[in-house]
Amino acid sequence: GQSLEQPSEVTAVEGAIVQINCTYQTSGFYGLSWYQQHDGGAPTFLSYNALDGLEETGRFSSFLSRSDSYGYLLLQELQMKDSASYFCAVRSPGGGYQKVTFGTGTKLQVIP
Amino acid sequence: NAGVTQTPKFQVLKTGQSMTLQCAQDMNHNSMYWYRQDPGMGLRLIYYSASEGTTDKGEVPNGYNVSRLNKREFSLRLESAAPSQTSVYFCASSRRTSGGADTQYFGPGTRLTVL
Repeated sequence: GQSLEQPSEVTAVEGAIVQINCTYQTSGFYGLSWYQQHDGGAPTFLSYNALDGLEETGRFSSFLSRSDSYGYLLLQELQMKDSASYFCAVRSPGGGYQKVTFGTGTKLQVIP
Repeated sequence: NAGVTQTPKFQVLKTGQSMTLQCAQDMNHNSMYWYRQDPGMGLRLIYYSASEGTTDKGEVPNGYNVSRLNKREFSLRLESAAPSQTSVYFCASSRRTSGGADTQYFGPGTRLTVL
């Protein structure tokens, strides 16, 4: 089966840097994605890592280590609007490449 | 370009009633998905459709049926609703990027309560 682990809650100060970790156990692996979801809203795609290393998109970066089955999302220069839930998701084989398993999410609270 | 749309936005059912949740996308994506989201449980895949004419079970398919009506539309049916199906339901569609990412685009969700 598939399982992903993320911290349930993280609090950080506006302007600071925060890292949200994700460890996974899957049968096969294609890539790790990150999604953001504001309260009452729909998830929106942030980033994707298929290979080891760091991917940077503006203030957000995502890292993957396939050998450690581990990834993280790094948010820099935190803003109040970054308060949201963040989900990691693994894409893996099984019924086609479309099999996607989401973690239970990390609720980030940004405080002044 | 509306992206992914879902109807209805809210619904209250009594136990045993049936209903169909509608989803449509205008991005010409091949793959479509239905998820449910419960507090503390994240998103769980109910069914997905890799392409028009195909559907497959996800993690929690019991109590649900789906129809991929055409490339644009993917509906989710509850034949006999139960209180355990109270949840927020999201439809999504996806495309493969040149880098291999399977970016999913989500609809606004349907908030379903079963009494």
